[in-house]
Amino acid sequence: GIQVEQSPPDLILQEGANSTLRCNFSDSVNNLQWFHQNPWGQLINLFYIPSGTKQNGRLSATTVATERYSLLYISSSQTTDSGVYFCAVVTGGTSYGKLTFGQGTILTVHP
Amino acid sequence: GAVVSQHPSRVICKSGTSVKIECRSLDFQATTMFWYRQFPKKSLMLMATSNEGSKATYEQGVEKDKFLINHASLTLSTLTVTSAHPEDSSFYICSASVGPVYSEQFFGPGTRLTVL
Repeated sequence: GIQVEQSPPDLILQEGANSTLRCNFSDSVNNLQWFHQNPWGQLINLFYIPSGTKQNGRLSATTVATERYSLLYISSSQTTDSGVYFCAVVTGGTSYGKLTFGQGTILTVHP
Repeated sequence: GAVVSQHPSRVICKSGTSVKIECRSLDFQATTMFWYRQFPKKSLMLMATSNEGSKATYEQGVEKDKFLINHASLTLSTLTVTSAHPEDSSFYICSASVGPVYSEQFFGPGTRLTVL
């Protein structure tokens, strides 16, 4: 099956810093989503981005499907950005669109 | 975005009992729902795909007689953990997509199961 690798596994920042999270995948995809899992376990949708670039406030994402990677940018980080960030993909030909998750990046933002 | 709810949010049960977890899409109809399991400090692992009106499709290694899935309507899927044991303790999360196969998926808040 498809492999999804996220880097870095852990990231510690001071409030106000910028960061880039990376997601590499081993096959072509029909769906790619970025999530933020908060301390209570809720997965919050950040981006649905199988290709191209999107921006939402301080966050933006870019997926280069032909090179099989996606990047999540967080600017002017805040303590509330802390948590686990997951990338998840759906490959072509996969029945019913099931998502395969990366291992996540644990982000800690200090005040 | 679309809203998915789960009930209960937390459950503690004795070994040998069965526990039912409900997953509802509140503002949309979901032909397909998914059930995931997450261990502490780990990623999400898909357990099964639930399709309205048909049998669920289980991932390799997931016991279908242990984890019973019923997708009775376009807004409700249930996961029943039968004869639960301590090793079944985990965080269970459901998701649903708002449209065709490769559409964006939205997740419920999860259910934390503890089996004593």
